[in-house]
Amino acid sequence: DIQMTQSPSTLSAYVGDRVTITCRASQSISSWLAWYQHKPGKAPKVLIYKASSLESGVPSRFSGSGSGTEFTLTISSLQPDDFATYYCQQYTDYPFTFGPGTKVDIK
Amino acid sequence: QITLKESGPTLVKPTQTLTLTCTFSGFSFSTSGEGVGWLRQPPGKALEWLALIYWSDSDRKNPSLKTRLTITKDSSKNQVFLTMTNMDPVDTATYYCAHRRLTPSGGPPQDFDMWGQGTLVTVSS
Repeated sequence: DIQMTQSPSTLSAYVGDRVTITCRASQSISSWLAWYQHKPGKAPKVLIYKASSLESGVPSRFSGSGSGTEFTLTISSLQPDDFATYYCQQYTDYPFTFGPGTKVDIK
Repeated sequence: QITLKESGPTLVKPTQTLTLTCTFSGFSFSTSGEGVGWLRQPPGKALEWLALIYWSDSDRKNPSLKTRLTITKDSSKNQVFLTMTNMDPVDTATYYCAHRRLTPSGGPPQDFDMWGQGTLVTVSS
């Protein structure tokens, strides 16, 4: 199985901050990586797919980059609605696997 | 607009079999390339992919649970089913179904572009 790791596990930030989350894969996954935002009691929501493609309707303050084994999710200016847990997922190979998540909370 | 909703028991006993239903709208298995997956999230833990079924009836399962999982569909009712045998307290989780982003048959790998809200299943005697 392809192992996914994320850092940091928790991130405390102010509204307006630029935030970067890193995701690493245990082997190359090309660009087959998605980022999801998850809030308690709600459905996970895809933000970025194919490493850097912004999902329709997602604010442009979200961006993704990377390929191979290292990826980043950047929020250019953190908004109150962005406090949530973020997961990366590889979908190049079965079984699909997720990172352990990064919780973004209010500083 | 794609929507999915999970339904099933909220409480099952250890060793029992769990059957969950995903009822969806906004797409159809008559379209080549469509797929629906099941995933879960134990309390305080990360997401885990369980299984995926395609329009063609082919399916894939997580090898760690393969012997316990069955995924089927009823295309006429727009439903996908997940059966998990021999439930254990460690299987307590919120179970989600999700739509795999549409790609033509034989196309590139795809993520899950729409998820249901999930259903919490507790395994306890």
